[in-house]
Amino acid sequence: DTGVSQDPRHKITKRGQNVTFRCDPISEHNRLYWYRQTLGQGPEFLTYFQNEAQLEKSRLLSDRFSAERPKGSFSTLEIQRTEQGDSAMYLCASSTQGEMAGYTFGSGTRLTVV
Amino acid sequence: DAKTTQPPSMDCAEGRAANLPCNHSTISGNEYVYWYRQIHSQGPQYIIHGLKNNETNEMASLIITEDRKSSTLILPHATLRDTAVYYCIGKTSYDKVIFGPGTSLSVIP
Repeated sequence: DTGVSQDPRHKITKRGQNVTFRCDPISEHNRLYWYRQTLGQGPEFLTYFQNEAQLEKSRLLSDRFSAERPKGSFSTLEIQRTEQGDSAMYLCASSTQGEMAGYTFGSGTRLTVV
Repeated sequence: DAKTTQPPSMDCAEGRAANLPCNHSTISGNEYVYWYRQIHSQGPQYIIHGLKNNETNEMASLIITEDRKSSTLILPHATLRDTAVYYCIGKTSYDKVIFGPGTSLSVIP
């Protein structure tokens, strides 16, 4: 297990289409986080899971966004009816509960909505 | 989470020590100071964290003032690969990580 994997690395989609991203965390990590990052800004928290339970959702996560982690392993983030403002880097991170040594981030999925 | 303030950008000569400051005057007693960095087009990378005592690992040193209102991340011998955005974050062990704008460090040859 070499780290957090995200797929795809890049996604270009037309406005109005739905997109889904996948994150595979480090296998022994029970917490999984999604962040969004736009150019020149720090990552913004979207949501996080502990095992399969979604424990917190940011107000940034509109009703067009949905995240799942069905078996407490990989997670998916779906954006419905994409808008140009959704263009960003979507980052996934994982950690163990109460992790003191920080999160491990994936390399992200860059979404471009045209 | 404690609000932190960092300079937006800094330069450092290659081979010299890079000292990145962070003010966190509102940090509470149970909040740790965490540092992450983000190299262009990659996800953030955890560097180091501390509560009261100074900390050192293979990547960096963290110096926290006695009153815990500020800290300095030290990269002892900066290389070009250390060019990145550095984030200082105050949080408890159970809080989620909240990023600010960070400091963009440019290591100059």
